[in-house]
Amino acid sequence: DTGVSQDPRHKITKRGQNVTFRCDPISEHNRLYWYRQTLGQGPEFLTYFQNEAQLEKSRLLSDRFSAERPKGSFSTLEIQRTEQGDSAMYLCASSSREPAGEQYFGPGTRLTVT
Amino acid sequence: GENVEQHPSTLSVQEGDSAVIKCTYSDSASNYFPWYKQELGKRPQLIIDIRSNVGEKKDQRIAVTLNKTAKHFSLHITETQPEDSAVYFCAASMNNDMRFGAGTRLTVKP
Repeated sequence: DTGVSQDPRHKITKRGQNVTFRCDPISEHNRLYWYRQTLGQGPEFLTYFQNEAQLEKSRLLSDRFSAERPKGSFSTLEIQRTEQGDSAMYLCASSSREPAGEQYFGPGTRLTVT
Repeated sequence: GENVEQHPSTLSVQEGDSAVIKCTYSDSASNYFPWYKQELGKRPQLIIDIRSNVGEKKDQRIAVTLNKTAKHFSLHITETQPEDSAVYFCAASMNNDMRFGAGTRLTVKP
């Protein structure tokens, strides 16, 4: 499968714990995005990387959230001290330089905070 | 920042009828407008997109129109089939800053 992959697909954690998600983009794509999606809503932009550089972060991304893409390939999203409000689907997407804009999504990681 | 509104939130049509979903955006600098289809429990799938230098684009039963002056764009599905049932999201983007609408749940009744 040469599409975007994410791991794990599901994560259940207790409030206050830290969690980390991984995203592997399509191999030739240099741009990577993280979104959060709650039930009945569209994806909400969290952050964006071009190669290893994090170029944009949403105001939705509190200090408890951090994302990295150390070698410009896979990316990780960490949530520290999880809260029940963090429960959502976390989607990763990637795109190539040209044509700009076409984003392809991974299957998502569904986080449940109990 | 960009704000995208999408209507209707739910749409039910009879198989074979047409379905139209409309979106408006706020940032006149947005230049890329994709549409995604999301089936229950699955990832959003890009089904068609349009750029600001084009007014209309068609791909088989799916078409998208863009009115830059009015800042709205629409998805048209003709000859709907039960497998078209899903949630559809519009989005607007300038460079890499993409904002999504809240989605339209389309149900096609056989």
